Amino acid sequence: DVKVTQSSRYLVKRTGEKVFLECVQDMDHENMFWYRQDPGLGLRLIYFSYDVKMKEKGDIPEGYSVSREKKERFSLILESASTNQTSMYLCASSPDPAGYYEQYFGPGTRLTVT
Amino acid sequence: QKEVEQNSGPLSVPEGAIASLNCTYSDRGSQSFFWYRQYSGKSPELIMFIYSNGDKEDGRFTAQLNKASQYVSLLIRDSQPSDSATYLCAVNAGYALNFGKGTSLLVTP
Repeated sequence: DVKVTQSSRYLVKRTGEKVFLECVQDMDHENMFWYRQDPGLGLRLIYFSYDVKMKEKGDIPEGYSVSREKKERFSLILESASTNQTSMYLCASSPDPAGYYEQYFGPGTRLTVT
Repeated sequence: QKEVEQNSGPLSVPEGAIASLNCTYSDRGSQSFFWYRQYSGKSPELIMFIYSNGDKEDGRFTAQLNKASQYVSLLIRDSQPSDSATYLCAVNAGYALNFGKGTSLLVTP
């Protein structure tokens, strides 16, 4: 059974703080993804990684960065949190080839920036 | 921008009826198609995937794919109140998946 875990279910941060969201998968998947989900806007891809230390920008990378030092772990970083980054953040992983196989989602982190 | 379109709903069906959810996509080169279910406050969970034209059945769920018309649908037979959720259609786009905004389904007892 694929398991994707995220470090926090709920997080409250202040404007300007640096925020780290962690994601770990236990299925040896090559590909990992970060999305945000907002009402009326659906799931939007922020970044994805197809290998250790490899990353690609998604549709909305501005204000975010990522790190993948180990295959099982993919971190999303908000360098200076802003209120418009209040959202549900979802991590996902998939086996190769990416895009062909289904993605498995973690439980999500609901981030509130005040 | 490659699009995946779904009617936002809500789609309301009585318990025991067939629920029909539809999705259209713009990229003719798409090869993989997925349906996810998302309960309120939860993350999406995979229901079905389909790669070839035609129907694919799994229990009460049937996915239908028509690449010529660029649509994919999900039928839920014998709908139950526990099926009430948002259903997301996803289509491959290079390395990633493009998700529709989802259709809200309400099954009334």
